[in-house]
Amino acid sequence: GENVEQHPSTLSVQEGDSAVIKCTYSDSASNYFPWYKQELGKGPQLIIDIRSNVGEKKDQRIAVTLNKTAKHFSLHITETQPEDSAVYFCAASYGSWGKLQFGAGTQVVVTP
Amino acid sequence: EPEVTQTPSHQVTQMGQEVILRCVPISNHLYFYWYRQILGQKVEFLVSFYNNEISEKSEIFDDQFSVERPDGSNFTLKIRSTKLEDSAMYFCASSGRGQGGEKLFFGSGTQLSVL
Repeated sequence: GENVEQHPSTLSVQEGDSAVIKCTYSDSASNYFPWYKQELGKGPQLIIDIRSNVGEKKDQRIAVTLNKTAKHFSLHITETQPEDSAVYFCAASYGSWGKLQFGAGTQVVVTP
Repeated sequence: EPEVTQTPSHQVTQMGQEVILRCVPISNHLYFYWYRQILGQKVEFLVSFYNNEISEKSEIFDDQFSVERPDGSNFTLKIRSTKLEDSAMYFCASSGRGQGGEKLFFGSGTQLSVL
């Protein structure tokens, strides 16, 4: 089955700096890679996703890159703000529709 | 903005008791899911449901678990005889169809504690 590894487990950045979270996946058949943000007491919220036929996607301060050959994908947050503080999860689809394998999560802390 | 709602937010039960976790998916969605997260571990897939039947289930989803869509709005997860190791945060999710249909929208979860 699919296995997703995520690094780092914690990330502390100064407000205004960039944050990068990296994930690797094992199943070359995986074709959809979402990123979720989870704030305290809430469920995972989809913030950006990318399909395997695209190498990069950007949405304002958030971007995701995918390297299919190396089987890794990354989340980039620029100009971080305190409200970016949360746990971020990467995931990869595997098998049937809606079946996601999650990474272990990255606790991001943005300090003013 | 439409959202997935889950009730209760917290559920405490005794080992061996039955629990039902409830979810109201986004109204025009057709695919429904349960995931869970044991403290300190990854979010893991339990089951997917479409057209009133299970599409796929993980090895975790054994005979103690069942899902049901009793009416046009609710989606439930039943654990027939809870075990200590069932203690976890349970997330319901739903998704639409067609282009973008693989985007899963999650509820806030039900924290289940089995004593």
